Amino acid sequence: EIVMTQSPATLSVSPGERATLSCRASQSLSSNLAWYQQKPGQAPRLLIYGASTRATGIPARFSGSGSGTEFTLTISSLQSEDFAVYYCQQYNNWPPWTFGQGTKVEIK
Amino acid sequence: EVQLVESGGGLVKPGGSLKLSCAASGFTFSTYNMNWVRQAPGKGLEWVSSISSSSSYIYYADSVKGRFTISRDNAKNSLYLQMNSLRAEDTAVYYCASPGSYYTYWGQGTLVTVSS
Repeated sequence: EIVMTQSPATLSVSPGERATLSCRASQSLSSNLAWYQQKPGQAPRLLIYGASTRATGIPARFSGSGSGTEFTLTISSLQSEDFAVYYCQQYNNWPPWTFGQGTKVEIK
Repeated sequence: EVQLVESGGGLVKPGGSLKLSCAASGFTFSTYNMNWVRQAPGKGLEWVSSISSSSSYIYYADSVKGRFTISRDNAKNSLYLQMNSLRAEDTAVYYCASPGSYYTYWGQGTLVTVSS
């Protein structure tokens, strides 16, 4: 089973600042990695797939990068609606499909 | 518009059973692999089970193998999860999600609480 590790657990950022979230895999994923955003009481929303491709309707301030075992989600200028929990998920080696434990982006 | 609507959650005693349903609309259900993902209160996301479009391939997380059964009815555009021998650690919001290996579409979730 591939273990996904996200860091940091919590990220405190001021509105308008850049946020950088990390995700590390225990084995190489090639580019088979997705990112999701989840707000309280809501279902997750797909942001990025293929490590760097934005899903339909996702603003350009969200970008993904990386391959192999190291991946990054960058939010270039945080808006109020971006404060949420973010999860990475691998779909290279399955089953199981595995998620990271999440990074909470909170207002500084 | 794609819609996934889960139902069937509720309070059940340890050792009990529950069957979840997911009604799909807005896409050709019979051509999509479907999945169940759960989230325990205050915790992260956990993949539970997947079923291929024709039900030929079925997968389960080790934590539910032998207790849960995934199925689908393409004529009714519906996905199911039969949950038996429920444990306290199965308490979670259960989401149906599609397609394939990363999940573009999610339902709103249904809460399953296992408690005496």
